[in-house]
Amino acid sequence: EAQVTQNPRYLITVTGKKLTVTCSQNMNHEYMSWYRQDPGLGLRQIYYSMNVEATDKGDVPEGYKVSRKEKRNFPLILESPSPNQTSLYFCASSSRTGPGGEYTEAFFGQGTRLTVV
Amino acid sequence: AQKITQTQPGMFVQEKEAVTLDCTYDTSDPSYGLFWYKQPSSGEMIFLIYQGSYDQQNATEGRYSLNFQKARKSANLVISASQLGDSAMYFCAKAPPGRRALTFGSGTRLQVQP
Repeated sequence: EAQVTQNPRYLITVTGKKLTVTCSQNMNHEYMSWYRQDPGLGLRQIYYSMNVEATDKGDVPEGYKVSRKEKRNFPLILESPSPNQTSLYFCASSSRTGPGGEYTEAFFGQGTRLTVV
Repeated sequence: AQKITQTQPGMFVQEKEAVTLDCTYDTSDPSYGLFWYKQPSSGEMIFLIYQGSYDQQNATEGRYSLNFQKARKSANLVISASQLGDSAMYFCAKAPPGRRALTFGSGTRLQVQP
């Protein structure tokens, strides 16, 4: 079954304690990305990766790091989490494109609810 | 910047009736894609339907159909025969050309009443 798997689903942590949210896809997709979802602000992209060892900032990258050492995995790292990073996080992957290079599919993980106290 | 507008923050519909959720977008892109996702209270983002700007016909997936009006830049989701399980947030999203990220609307909360 084609899927994007995030772990953990729920996480409560304290300010400043480094954490990693894992993301793995089994569809051999080149493109992977991370979003955060906040009430009233919708989904905003944090980082994305076009392929292995190719990552770039999205709209809200401050306070986050990513890596893409393998095609299937794209972990999100919070080196020193703060309360304003409390949010619902989604990992997504895509591959197929249309005539203009627009993605024609986008698979999302189940989401990770992060609370930083 | 790409902008997706969902003007209905909340909608009510009676079970078994049809409902239309509105979505309009800004674009000058020659080619783009439009998505609708459902987000139940459990939080996951469930893909519903996709429409390519070049597609001649409106997309359909079971009870979901997309009323795509390219000249008006609208891509409204139609849910036929609403079910209680359709109660959720619904998001419209646009994929621009060039392998770039999706841009999401603010969502519409649909409540299906028995």
